[in-house]
Amino acid sequence: GAVVSQHPSWVICKSGTSVKIECRSLDFQATTMFWYRQFPKQSLMLMATSNEGSKATYEQGVEKDKFLINHASLTLSTLTVTSAHPEDSSFYICSAHPYGDTEAFFGQGTRLTVV
Amino acid sequence: GQQVMQIPQYQHVQEGEDFTTYCNSSTTLSNIQWYKQRPGGHPVFLIQLVKSGEVKKQKRLTFQFGEAKKNSSLHITATQTTDVGTYFCAGREGKLIFGQGTELSVKP
Repeated sequence: GAVVSQHPSWVICKSGTSVKIECRSLDFQATTMFWYRQFPKQSLMLMATSNEGSKATYEQGVEKDKFLINHASLTLSTLTVTSAHPEDSSFYICSAHPYGDTEAFFGQGTRLTVV
Repeated sequence: GQQVMQIPQYQHVQEGEDFTTYCNSSTTLSNIQWYKQRPGGHPVFLIQLVKSGEVKKQKRLTFQFGEAKKNSSLHITATQTTDVGTYFCAGREGKLIFGQGTELSVKP
């Protein structure tokens, strides 16, 4: 199967700082990637759709200025949490669909803790 | 917008017992997918159902897609401790919309 690699797997940062999370497709090209947030014991909530070479599409209620998404190449999408606060602490996970309208392959996820 | 509801939220079973989780969509789905997420891990794809009334089996797992393509179920026969995790259904309408998930715990 396809491989999606996400880095870092965990990060602790101080309140007010920014954190960048990378999502790479290792063996396929991804024109579209998806970013999710998952709180403990809860479902995956789609935050935004990352589009290579164009602006990301954000879901309702997600602040685009706080969660900056860049998809500069066909194998890399980044999510930057700007001016992080403790309430941003969560599990962030990316995915891609390398085979069209079929299964999603997920990165390992990034556990963000803001102190 | 589209909503995908999943029940139950938790299920605790004795090893060897059966387990079923149910998924309902507010709208007709083009397809439905099932994922398993182990504790601390990321979701892993199990199966996709596309046709109305479709039934697929993977060893002890049986997946069904309703006739109206608005509901689905996952049934595990004779659970094992390796089945522990959270099972999510996800409706695909351009993007994946996940159900709340059912967390399965299995007591040896």
